[in-house]
Amino acid sequence: QVQLTESGPGLVHPSETLSLTCTVSGFSLTGYSVYWVRQPSGKGLEWMGRMRYNGDTSYNSALKSRLSISRDTSKNQVFLKMNSLQTDDTGTYYCTRATRDWGQGVMVTVSS
Amino acid sequence: DVVLTQTPPTLSATIGQSVSISCRSSQSLLHSNGNTYLHWLLQRPGQSPQLLIYLVSRLESGVPNRFSGSGSGTDFTLKISGVEAEDLGVYYCVQGTHAPDTFGAGTKLELK
Repeated sequence: QVQLTESGPGLVHPSETLSLTCTVSGFSLTGYSVYWVRQPSGKGLEWMGRMRYNGDTSYNSALKSRLSISRDTSKNQVFLKMNSLQTDDTGTYYCTRATRDWGQGVMVTVSS
Repeated sequence: DVVLTQTPPTLSATIGQSVSISCRSSQSLLHSNGNTYLHWLLQRPGQSPQLLIYLVSRLESGVPNRFSGSGSGTDFTLKISGVEAEDLGVYYCVQGTHAPDTFGAGTKLELK
């Protein structure tokens, strides 16, 4: 059974760095791509970036300068790091196996 | 980046009514490998998104066959043949042909 679980801090202060982890089970990170998608409260989905099965990464153009995605295949984990957070980065962050399977999401609030 | 324009933004329907949602792309989504990476998701209130249709017209496992997808190039349509109460929520198209992936702004399906 495929599962994805996001984890990370619920509160981040402005200008700080967000670090999130997506822990997967039921599939191999060397066989499938994992994406990060976020959703501001009450708004639509925004594709942030992806870790491809072969280790390549791709990023949303608007976030590219602040965003980094990496992985640890031995731990079945994909990581997201985004720096210089502002209040409009508040929202729910999801990881997904190429839009087919989704985690429950983690709510992140950026506030002082 | 590819822009996906969904219409209408809001759709009011009665139970049993058939409805359609349009997704138009700013450039052709036909990949050089012959596939068209245009998919449809449903996000029910308070839930993670769910894949309904992938590669334009392929029904995801477990999704009722009242959902169907069609289109090619830059114009795509999701049709629901006989809306049921569980179909309410926000529908998104998403493209993966051109990096970075992008989402449409969403179409909210409401009960009339």
